[in-house]
Amino acid sequence: GQQLNQSPQSMFIQEGEDVSMNCTSSSIFNTWLWYKQDPGEGPVLLIALYKAGELTSNGRLTAQFGITRKDSFLNISASIPSDVGIYFCAGGSGNTGKLIFGQGTTLQVKP
Amino acid sequence: ETGVTQSPTHLIKTRGQQVTLRCSSQSGHNTVSWYQQALGQGPQFIFQYYREEENGRGNFPPRFSGLQFPNYSSELNVNALELDDSALYLCASSFRVEQFFGPGTRLTVL
Repeated sequence: GQQLNQSPQSMFIQEGEDVSMNCTSSSIFNTWLWYKQDPGEGPVLLIALYKAGELTSNGRLTAQFGITRKDSFLNISASIPSDVGIYFCAGGSGNTGKLIFGQGTTLQVKP
Repeated sequence: ETGVTQSPTHLIKTRGQQVTLRCSSQSGHNTVSWYQQALGQGPQFIFQYYREEENGRGNFPPRFSGLQFPNYSSELNVNALELDDSALYLCASSFRVEQFFGPGTRLTVL
């Protein structure tokens, strides 16, 4: 079945540093979505990507839809303590609306 | 605009029992998807409902069933609960591609 490999699994960085995480798949996706989840809460949508090669920003966040349609990355610039959480990539394809999620990247930011 | 809501917040059941979880979709959304999230894992797709019909199902047994109502709210029913069913159950509503999640229901099976 379809699987997403998300890396790194965890990151511990200093406040102000930039962060980069990525997601790869053996399958092609038509959409890529990035979510952030805080403990005890549901995932919150950060960025949605719809076309291969698309580069989209949302404040300090930038994400790209890979040319091969099998990968995506998320960058966070100038990290702040509230960026702490688990970041998930999700790929979508077909008409069912089913999203396949990665295993998540846990981000910790040291003030 | 009201976001996605789920009830109850927490639930404790014993093995073999049945459970019903509820979800109210965000205003303007006609599609509801359900996911199971085990501790330390990403959400796993259970199924999706569009206009009261099942529109895709993940790799979950038939004892996981659902309903969608005319107001687009939805229920997830799980029969014959097993210990491995302990997880956070997430509901997501959508109108197009983007899915917006509720806070989840934490189910513990003893």
